[in-house]
Amino acid sequence: EDQVTQSPEALRLQEGESSSLNCSYTVSGLRGLFWYRQDPGKGPEFLFTLYSAGEEKEKERLKATLTKKESFLHITAPKPEDSATYLCAVQAASSASKIIFGSGTRLSIRP
Amino acid sequence: DAMVIQNPRYQVTQFGKPVTLSCSQTLNHNVMYWYQQKSSQAPKLLFHYYDKDFNNEADTPDNFQSRRPNTSFCFLDIRSPGLGDAAMYLCATSGIGSYNEQFFGPGTRLTVL
Repeated sequence: EDQVTQSPEALRLQEGESSSLNCSYTVSGLRGLFWYRQDPGKGPEFLFTLYSAGEEKEKERLKATLTKKESFLHITAPKPEDSATYLCAVQAASSASKIIFGSGTRLSIRP
Repeated sequence: DAMVIQNPRYQVTQFGKPVTLSCSQTLNHNVMYWYQQKSSQAPKLLFHYYDKDFNNEADTPDNFQSRRPNTSFCFLDIRSPGLGDAAMYLCATSGIGSYNEQFFGPGTRLTVL
């Protein structure tokens, strides 16, 4: 069964303290892996798509990487405005249009 | 800017009173989705439309229905809301292709009294 697991569930960092969020997946053929940011009371905001192992994408203080079993979202020198829940989702090769979400990592950055 | 719009942003209804949530998009995407999200949980797919083709998830209760009258609009009808249906309802769209990122609206927060 296709599955996505994110860790940790919650992470509290000091401003400027870099760290990584993990997304482990089990899927029968990966078509794409997606990262989203979700602020409280709002819809998820698309961040990145990764297609194949070894691929990396960057946006401001965020960098996403992908291996055959997991993806990391690296946050470099975070600021309080980076506080949000980060969701990972995968699309299986067998799925025409559906994606499977992990339950997210709730990130809190203290000033 | 191309976007996904949901109305209303907040909806309060009474137990058992039917409610309709709406979603519109200016992205001209073929696929539209409805998700239910409860606090600290992942979004749960209820159903999606691939053009006019309706695809229901096996575990979506019969209480939830959907309509897509045209490419731009999609509606979620909850026929008899229960207390357990209180949640954030998210609409998303995606284009057709090998890699179809989904783009989400701001959500509708449903409260059932």
